Amino acid sequence: ETGVTQSPTHLIKTRGQQVTLRCSSQSGHNTVSWYQQALGQGPQFIFQYYREEENGRGNFPPRFSGLQFPNYSSELNVNALELDDSALYLCASSLGGSVTDTQYFGPGTRLTVL
Amino acid sequence: AQSVTQPDIHITVSEGASLELRCNYSYGATPYLFWYVQSPGQGLQLLLKYFSGDTLVQGIKGFEAEFKRSQSSFNLRKPSVHWSDAAEYFCAVGAGGNKLVFGAGTILRVKS
Repeated sequence: ETGVTQSPTHLIKTRGQQVTLRCSSQSGHNTVSWYQQALGQGPQFIFQYYREEENGRGNFPPRFSGLQFPNYSSELNVNALELDDSALYLCASSLGGSVTDTQYFGPGTRLTVL
Repeated sequence: AQSVTQPDIHITVSEGASLELRCNYSYGATPYLFWYVQSPGQGLQLLLKYFSGDTLVQGIKGFEAEFKRSQSSFNLRKPSVHWSDAAEYFCAVGAGGNKLVFGAGTILRVKS
């Protein structure tokens, strides 16, 4: 059974650019949640996708957007990057969209915005 | 709004000593509570969770946690710490149906 994978591992962008982060969910999981973890802080919920539809969103501006594909993999897109977007971005997959469904996290993508 | 407080940013314990990491939550309804561990370069791994029933829950790697509604706490414990337990620990509450709200984490250092 393959776990949750994320790509790329690291990337560096400059302010104003756009970035796409990718997540492959664990086999059999139909839900992906994205979190932002700034240095020294706990993860913050960005949004969740359940069966290709957005299923809840945290307090993030519209320049954070996402997609989920028919194979349940997912992308996080961030437009007009700001310095404060520098963080570790985590995705988590689960069997369903309820908080009682255990979320399995990937290793994350470290984004640095210069 | 839901929130989680982990009062200790860093904790250092000797190998073989007992451990308790503190977690306080704020949530209006019956909370769903979680503890995760994060090692450098790794994602978060679920240690244990509490939804209902017995307030003392057992998890992986010898960890346990106790839910105390009167104190709004969900402290994590381990009777004997191993050097491999050095990591960052996050308490989280399930909120709004499908999202987790995390505390800021406690970094555990184990000295030999």
